[in-house]
Amino acid sequence: DSGVTQTPKHLITATGQRVTLRCSPRSGDLSVYWYQQSLDQGLQFLIQYYNGEERAKGNILERFSAQQFPDLHSELNLSSLELGDSALYFCASSEGGRSYEQYFGPGTRLTVT
Amino acid sequence: KNEVEQSPQNLTAQEGEFITINCSYSVGISALHWLQQHPGGGIVSLFMLSSGKKKHGRLIATINIQEKHSSLHITASHPRDSAVYICAVSSMDSNYQLIWGAGTKLIIKP
Repeated sequence: DSGVTQTPKHLITATGQRVTLRCSPRSGDLSVYWYQQSLDQGLQFLIQYYNGEERAKGNILERFSAQQFPDLHSELNLSSLELGDSALYFCASSEGGRSYEQYFGPGTRLTVT
Repeated sequence: KNEVEQSPQNLTAQEGEFITINCSYSVGISALHWLQQHPGGGIVSLFMLSSGKKKHGRLIATINIQEKHSSLHITASHPRDSAVYICAVSSMDSNYQLIWGAGTKLIIKP
């Protein structure tokens, strides 16, 4: 158990809908990272937050947004969902903002039908 | 050319064999990470290295900074080691974000 929790574990929704994925980092970790893993693909970095502020942005679509709250939990919002958004979404946390070991949550499997 | 290359892409071995997975990178790094992704999807961080060698149980990771190369070894492999092993590096060039290898799919047959 990494100490990182993600909810929900599974999510099935229809095209055009909006969903929110939630992540709680390990106790004491200030950074949260979001990754997308499509079927049989590698991990794609989406976005990083550090202590409530956006630290780095990767290949995140404009339809997606994220935030980190004062209690350090983070939410990833996906809107106007398309079939191609079906993927595993992982959250990871680390103590600091750079080059620290990342601890991964169990992931949320999103299926868009 | 990808900045992080792993080999082999796929590896099938018999239980008990010594396993080596290689990772080469072309950027200056601050650290190299080895992660394991189980068939169910969960990801576990195995090692973070910036020099030398680390050992945890039957797993050994080494890094040669001059040659820009790292290896992950599994001794006395077991079917439960079957997973995808991913190498990733963090680099100043990428603002310390992880640059991911494509992964090595390992199958250990009983």
